Amino acid sequence: AQRVTQPEKLLSVFKGAPVELKCNYSYSGSPELFWYVQYSRQRLQLLLRHISRESIKGFTADLNKGETSFHLKKPFAQEEDSAMYYCALSGVSRGNQFYFGTGTSLTVIP
Amino acid sequence: DAGVTQSPTHLIKTRGQQVTLRCSPKSGHDTVSWYQQALGQGPQFIFQYYEEEERQRGNFPDRFSGHQFPNYSSELNVNALLLGDSALYLCASSPQNRAEQYFGPGTRLTVT
Repeated sequence: AQRVTQPEKLLSVFKGAPVELKCNYSYSGSPELFWYVQYSRQRLQLLLRHISRESIKGFTADLNKGETSFHLKKPFAQEEDSAMYYCALSGVSRGNQFYFGTGTSLTVIP
Repeated sequence: DAGVTQSPTHLIKTRGQQVTLRCSPKSGHDTVSWYQQALGQGPQFIFQYYEEEERQRGNFPDRFSGHQFPNYSSELNVNALLLGDSALYLCASSPQNRAEQYFGPGTRLTVT
């Protein structure tokens, strides 16, 4: 069964500390993995997709097919990173539905 | 481009009533998906429309139905509302030949 698991509902780190938001998935096939972010009073927006292999706002995420993980990392957290983060997956072919995790609320303490 | 837009912003309905939510996709996008997001949960896929037809459907009852118009805009209809239908309903659109979805601000539905 397709599933996305984000084990941490809440995560607090100090400004300047490294941050890692965990995401594990199960999918029978080759998925595309995404991270979405929702800042306070804003809409859900795409942060990263694994096939782009890019860094956005200092965040990176590597797809580990062996561990079926797609953890989101940033070496130095900033206060503006405080937000809700959702991991999501979709099948490779267009038209496959998205499966979202339950989200992790990140708070960066000044 | 205003991006994905949804209307109304908020809606209060009584149990048993019917509701219609509306969505306009981002310019250039032809695929629209609908999600239900309950408090404290991630978005749950309801269905997806492409070329005016339902292409994929999640685990939602037939009370949830939709439509896509020739201009790619879409409606979500929910019949016989239950208290448990209270949630944020999100619309997302996708660009051609790409999987990532772009979300609207949502419609907050409260069923009393």
